[in-house]
Amino acid sequence: EDQVTQSPEALRLQEGESSSLNCSYTVSGLRGLFWYRQDPGKGPEFLFTLYSAGEEKEKERLKATLTKKESFLHITAPKPEDSATYLCAVQESGSARQLTFGSGTQLTVLP
Amino acid sequence: DGGITQSPKYLFRKEGQNVTLSCEQNLNHDAMYWYRQDPGQGLRLIYYSQIVNDFQKGDIAEGYSVSREKKESFPLTVTSAQKNPTAFYLCASSIKARLAGDNEQFFGPGTRLTVL
Repeated sequence: EDQVTQSPEALRLQEGESSSLNCSYTVSGLRGLFWYRQDPGKGPEFLFTLYSAGEEKEKERLKATLTKKESFLHITAPKPEDSATYLCAVQESGSARQLTFGSGTQLTVLP
Repeated sequence: DGGITQSPKYLFRKEGQNVTLSCEQNLNHDAMYWYRQDPGQGLRLIYYSQIVNDFQKGDIAEGYSVSREKKESFPLTVTSAQKNPTAFYLCASSIKARLAGDNEQFFGPGTRLTVL
């Protein structure tokens, strides 16, 4: 059974204090790993897809990386508007495009 | 503008009632999904459909039903058999994967269902 574990559950940063969020996964074969951002009371917003170990993608202050067992979402010099819950999901090969989600990391960036 | 719409945003149900949540997309996506989100938990898959007139159960289908009569629409009915229906319900869609890069699911704004 696919397992996705995100850590920490919650993270508080000062504005400008860089950090990383972790997503550990267990699948028999990875088709893709996805990062989403979710604001309170809203649907998740797609950020990145990673497909193979060593792959990296960037968007503004966010950078996602992938190894064979985990993914990191690096946040460089965060701003208060980066406060949100960040969700990680994996898609197993041959899964008919079903995603298995982690429980998320709630990020708060203080001004 | 292309996107996914869900209605209503908030829904209140009395115990014993069936309610239907609407999900419409104009992205021309083939696949549609329903998830449930509870506080502190990840999204859990209820049902999904890859093509019109066909759908499959997800991990927590008991107490729910769906239909897919049109490509654009995938309504979810929460029946009285669902023992704990209070949750945030999210609909998503994705294109039919032809290449490795076509697997992203895009989400609607959600419906918050509360049982009174």
